[in-house]
Amino acid sequence: AQKITQTQPGMFVQEKEAVTLDCTYDTSDPSYGLFWYKQPSSGEMIFLIYQGSYDQQNATEGRYSLNFQKARKSANLVISASQLGDSAMYFCAMRPRAGAQKLVFGQGTRLTINP
Amino acid sequence: NAGVTQTPKFQVLKTGQSMTLQCAQDMNHNSMYWYRQDPGMGLRLIYYSASEGTTDKGEVPNGYNVSRLNKREFSLRLESAAPSQTSVYFCASSQTQYSNQPQHFGDGTRLSIL
Repeated sequence: AQKITQTQPGMFVQEKEAVTLDCTYDTSDPSYGLFWYKQPSSGEMIFLIYQGSYDQQNATEGRYSLNFQKARKSANLVISASQLGDSAMYFCAMRPRAGAQKLVFGQGTRLTINP
Repeated sequence: NAGVTQTPKFQVLKTGQSMTLQCAQDMNHNSMYWYRQDPGMGLRLIYYSASEGTTDKGEVPNGYNVSRLNKREFSLRLESAAPSQTSVYFCASSQTQYSNQPQHFGDGTRLSIL
């Protein structure tokens, strides 16, 4: 069975600091995709970044990067130079090749950026 | 650029009533999904449609039915609403059902069953 674990229920960070949100995953499928989503207080789910299991380089999208350590089965999200607008829930999700119709979500981490 | 549009945004029902949640996407995606989000439980897949003309059960299908009306539209129906179905419902779509495709979500429907 596939599982995503986010061990940080909440994090508080000062504006302009970098922040790392942890995510570990469990799957026996050698081919899978890892995703991060942001959910602001308004409720929508916003796709941030994608990492494929066979990708050699860590994914980056603007201020977001994914620290992918395949042997450790971790896919941490790094946000550089945090902004007040980064305050939101962040979800790590996995899409295995077998059963790829489903995104398996973690419980989420609530990030609060302090001015 | 609308993306995925869900209607209604909010709804209150009485136990036993029925209703249909509507979802439409304008990204020419083949695959569409319905999730529910409950506090502390993340998102769980209710039903999905890998392509036009097909639908399949997800993790929590009991009490729901779906219709893939055409490539753009995927509706979710509650035949006899129960308080346990109080939740936030998200529709999503992706280009295909392959593992390298992100799913793009609508803004959600907040449903309360009294």
